[in-house]
Amino acid sequence: GAGVSQSPSNKVTEKGKDVELRCDPISGHTALYWYRQSLGQGLEFLIYFQGNSAPDKSGLPSDRFSAERTGGSVSTLTIQRTQQEDSAVYLCASNNIPGVTEAFFGQGTRLTVV
Amino acid sequence: EDQVTQSPEALRLQEGESSSLNCSYTVSGLRGLFWYRQDPGKGPEFLFTLYSAGEEKEKERLKATLTKKESFLHITAPKPEDSATYLCAVLITSGTYKYIFGTGTRLKVLA
Repeated sequence: GAGVSQSPSNKVTEKGKDVELRCDPISGHTALYWYRQSLGQGLEFLIYFQGNSAPDKSGLPSDRFSAERTGGSVSTLTIQRTQQEDSAVYLCASNNIPGVTEAFFGQGTRLTVV
Repeated sequence: EDQVTQSPEALRLQEGESSSLNCSYTVSGLRGLFWYRQDPGKGPEFLFTLYSAGEEKEKERLKATLTKKESFLHITAPKPEDSATYLCAVLITSGTYKYIFGTGTRLKVLA
């Protein structure tokens, strides 16, 4: 596609439920990143994919968070047993030359845990 | 520890009143500095990449500059449509590739 696409754009879930957030990167981009943005905060790094591998998962806040990428394209971020503190905007970005070029972001998924 | 600090947190300008936003950083192995614009409810939109001290980039009313410790985003004769949050990020490549973001400057330009 022309840009990074994320779905859903909004998600309201009950505390304790699992959620899946999807990211479709720009076609041909080998690197993919997930970030979290809480209200009034900067972007917090979660995980970096190169192809289908995740060389850096250091930003995942707990073992309730996991992510995978298949076919070097679509990525899914899964949050199990959601908590209220998980409420945030989850942003996905991709780029074609990791370590050199800028990353392009999607519109984000706004997650609200009630 | 790698860190990016932006100032001011918020800035209100009158239309036509030029100003500068600051991004200071302490990182090991800087590979690039990036400026983004973020509108409410949207993802960050890429503006500029700077790779070495002394480099400058311009786009319309915006000009980004880079030194060894900080970057400035100069806004000349701003218009209300320039109102947004401006984010600065550094790219680190020691053992991984990731962008470390500052918390941004919220700019409001009044007509």
